[in-house]
Amino acid sequence: QKEVEQDPGPLSVPEGAIVSLNCTYSNSAFQYFMWYRQYSRKGPELLMYTYSSGNKEDGRFTAQVDKSSKYISLFIRDSQPSDSATYLCGITGGGNKLTFGTGTQLKVEL
Amino acid sequence: EPEVTQTPSHQVTQMGQEVILRCVPISNHLYFYWYRQILGQKVEFLVSFYNNEISEKSEIFDDQFSVERPDGSNFTLKIRSTKLEDSAMYFCASVRAVGNTEAFFGQGTRLTVV
Repeated sequence: QKEVEQDPGPLSVPEGAIVSLNCTYSNSAFQYFMWYRQYSRKGPELLMYTYSSGNKEDGRFTAQVDKSSKYISLFIRDSQPSDSATYLCGITGGGNKLTFGTGTQLKVEL
Repeated sequence: EPEVTQTPSHQVTQMGQEVILRCVPISNHLYFYWYRQILGQKVEFLVSFYNNEISEKSEIFDDQFSVERPDGSNFTLKIRSTKLEDSAMYFCASVRAVGNTEAFFGQGTRLTVV
């Protein structure tokens, strides 16, 4: 079983849609959960960082963690064409080394 | 806004040659990392560095690789004898402190081995 699993997509949605991106993980020692956005041939850009189970909101983005199910989500409200990118979940157990999912490629169409 | 900077943005090298990839982490950060992303694949951890020594390394980080912090600002990754399969994007990242796991990434160096 892979440590972090993420549906690679591609996911195509119309502008204004709510987008749901998800990752599952297998290691109970993972405690810190991050979402990154990566444009083609660019570095990952940190979007959200969460520690505990529950929701964290930042503008149009909401990160959700369910440690009991080992399941994390990123919701994007009112999606825009500029949100088109690959979204990576990155998870760590506190030693700071990140384990990434494969990334989900998102396209928001006009 | 502080950022991690990497140079060069693109490096082409012949197989068997040595390359050095350079990074300037965010100035008050203490933990430094190199990650690799082969085209179409996921971002993979290579090595972490703290207090002037390697704190963790992956199986990928074999004897061909080394890291160094030669001065107070630069953090380098050296590949001694490059192979075709070393072709990838290499990302440097830094973290401010112990337990603060928000990692900030540079824009990457695209290494092409021919």
